[in-house]
Amino acid sequence: DAGVIQSPRHEVTEMGQEVTLRCKPISGHNSLFWYRQTMMRGLELLIYFNNNVPIDDSGMPEDRFSAKMPNASFSTLKIQPSEPRDSAVYFCASSSNMNTEAFFGQGTRLTVV
Amino acid sequence: GIQVEQSPPDLILQEGANSTLRCNFSDSVNNLQWFHQNPWGQLINLFYIPSGTKQNGRLSATTVATERYSLLYISSSQTTDSGVYFCAVEEGRRALTFGSGTRLQVQP
Repeated sequence: DAGVIQSPRHEVTEMGQEVTLRCKPISGHNSLFWYRQTMMRGLELLIYFNNNVPIDDSGMPEDRFSAKMPNASFSTLKIQPSEPRDSAVYFCASSSNMNTEAFFGQGTRLTVV
Repeated sequence: GIQVEQSPPDLILQEGANSTLRCNFSDSVNNLQWFHQNPWGQLINLFYIPSGTKQNGRLSATTVATERYSLLYISSSQTTDSGVYFCAVEEGRRALTFGSGTRLQVQP
C-alpha cells in the first residue's frame, strides 16, 4: 500500500482565499484523523472520523474550518476564509480502527500571506 | 483531557552514545505510539506499544501501563537518528494525544 496520501504537499495562498486539503487514507482503514502542527501548539487533533462519520470535531478552531469524508477513500479539510494564523503543517492519518496503530501522511505545509 | 509529558525536551549526543527518552501520561491508555519526525517533517512510526517491551534494531521501547510511563531506548546512536521523537497516547475512544516531543541531535 502507498500509505496515507495527502495533497498538495505545499500551498501558499493569500489571506481571505479558500483552501482545500485532501487526504486518501490507507485502503481498508476505518478511522481518519486530521492534525495540525505549529511551533506554538505542537501536534493537535482537529477532527476524526470513524466509518466516514465525524466522531470528535472539538479541535476544529472555528467555523472557518470544515471537514468532510464523503466515502471511505477520501477526506477534505477546508478553510474559508484563510488567515495568516492558519499557517501550519496539516497532517492526515488513518488506522484500521480506534485504538489501533495510526499512520500519518507526509503533511501539507500551508502558508497564508 | 489526558496529559502527556516527555523528557528531556532537548538532547545532544555524540555518535555512538546511548540514550533513554521518557513519556509520562496522566491516565489509563488503550494505545501508545512512538514516532520519529525526521528533518523533512515526516512522522515515522517506531513502535505501537500500549504495554510490554519491543525491539527493532537499535531501538527498543517499554511501556509500563500500570505506572503510566513509557521509555524509548536508542543505542549506538547515528546522525540519522536526529530529529524529534514524539510519544502519543489514546484513552477511551479519543484520538491520539501527542506530547511536546524530545528534540535529539546526534553529532558526528
